[in-house]
Amino acid sequence: DVKVTQSSRYLVKRTGEKVFLECVQDMDHENMFWYRQDPGLGLRLIYFSYDVKMKEKGDIPEGYSVSREKKERFSLILESASTNQTSMYLCASSPPGGRQPQHFGDGTRLSIL
Amino acid sequence: RKEVEQDPGPFNVPEGATVAFNCTYSNSASQSFFWYRQDCRKEPKLLMSVYSSGNEDGRFTAQLNRASQYISLLIRDSKLSDSATYLCVVNFNTGNQFYFGTGTSLTVIP
Repeated sequence: DVKVTQSSRYLVKRTGEKVFLECVQDMDHENMFWYRQDPGLGLRLIYFSYDVKMKEKGDIPEGYSVSREKKERFSLILESASTNQTSMYLCASSPPGGRQPQHFGDGTRLSIL
Repeated sequence: RKEVEQDPGPFNVPEGATVAFNCTYSNSASQSFFWYRQDCRKEPKLLMSVYSSGNEDGRFTAQLNRASQYISLLIRDSKLSDSATYLCVVNFNTGNQFYFGTGTSLTVIP
């Protein structure tokens, strides 16, 4: 079974802090994704990566950056956290080509105070 | 217009009922279709892929109508444990991006 592991289930940070969310997958998938999910808005893509050191902006990249130094790890960075970034963050991975489904990590519920 | 649209519900059905959800998509070049289930405060989990000829997994049946650009999910003999949000997901032949509906909420009532 695919295993996608996110570093924290719950996280509380303060406004202005730099926040790192880590995601690791064990299936050698080329594609990795970061989403946020908010009530009534569904899943929104922040960034995705289709290879090491490659990244593409999703629908809502503002205020975020990503890093993919190794194939199995994809990090999401909140450069200067703000209260409107309080959300559920979901990492996913998939093989290339889009014909196989994504697999999700457990999610990180992030609160910015 | 959103790329993928679902009726948010909620659908409240009695145990044993049959319930169906539809999901419409905007891009006729779409290549891959999936249904996910998401429990409250949990991550989405793959329920089933949707194949062109339609496919069945136990009480669940998924169908694709390319001409009308929608996919459907039918749940027969609903169980209390089927209560969840069901997400429709489409890949638009770009290979790397998946588009999600906002989900349909189902509650199965005893």
